[in-house]
Amino acid sequence: QLQLQESGPGLVKPSETLSLTCTVSGVSTSVSSHCWGWVRQPPGKALEWIGTVYESGSAYYTPSLRGRVSISVDIPKKHFSLRLTSVTAADTARYFCARTNGGTYYDAFDLWGLGTLVTVSS
Amino acid sequence: QPALTQPASVSGSPGQSITISCTGTGSDVGGYDFVSWYQLHPGKVPKLIIHGVSHRPAGVSDRFSASKSGTTASLTISGLRTEDEADYYCASYRSADYPHVVFGGGTKLTVL
Repeated sequence: QLQLQESGPGLVKPSETLSLTCTVSGVSTSVSSHCWGWVRQPPGKALEWIGTVYESGSAYYTPSLRGRVSISVDIPKKHFSLRLTSVTAADTARYFCARTNGGTYYDAFDLWGLGTLVTVSS
Repeated sequence: QPALTQPASVSGSPGQSITISCTGTGSDVGGYDFVSWYQLHPGKVPKLIIHGVSHRPAGVSDRFSASKSGTTASLTISGLRTEDEADYYCASYRSADYPHVVFGGGTKLTVL
């Protein structure tokens, strides 16, 4: 069964770059195509969609983070990554990686990682 | 533009039914059938319980059902169980302001 696991620094300094990787492990029984994305949840707040990347590498992002965010995918290495530049305390959140249940970026996320907490602080 | 609007909290007793609403606009919930619902238990992996407005993934209990009318989507949980106590989020494709996906503000379900 397929599993996703986030990894990366738990503490990032203000103005620096947050970088996370999601590793895909296990065997997929799905025959359909998927996209790969990131969602975050600040402490005590709601989920926020960050963006999703196609296996081709094309990506879509939430408007509020455009210009600071990029998501990339490495199919042979079975991982995809999130990069968020110029972080502030407002970027402190639990970051989840996830897979869509279909082949378009706005399909629902049917498989999630447990999430990793990233704190932005000096 | 703000997130989709959900009630902050709902509650019910075991065996009862509850409904959680998710209100958007014609540029998201009202205009497309790309509405999904998620269940979040603290410390656990988020779970997709509804996609495509009303479709249940394999393995999700038929106590969970959902629908849409106009710009409001609704999730109904029947035969409430204590394990249903969790946070629930709706999400939708949004075409306005550069196409993207938007989540609701989340609803805390308490099973009394």
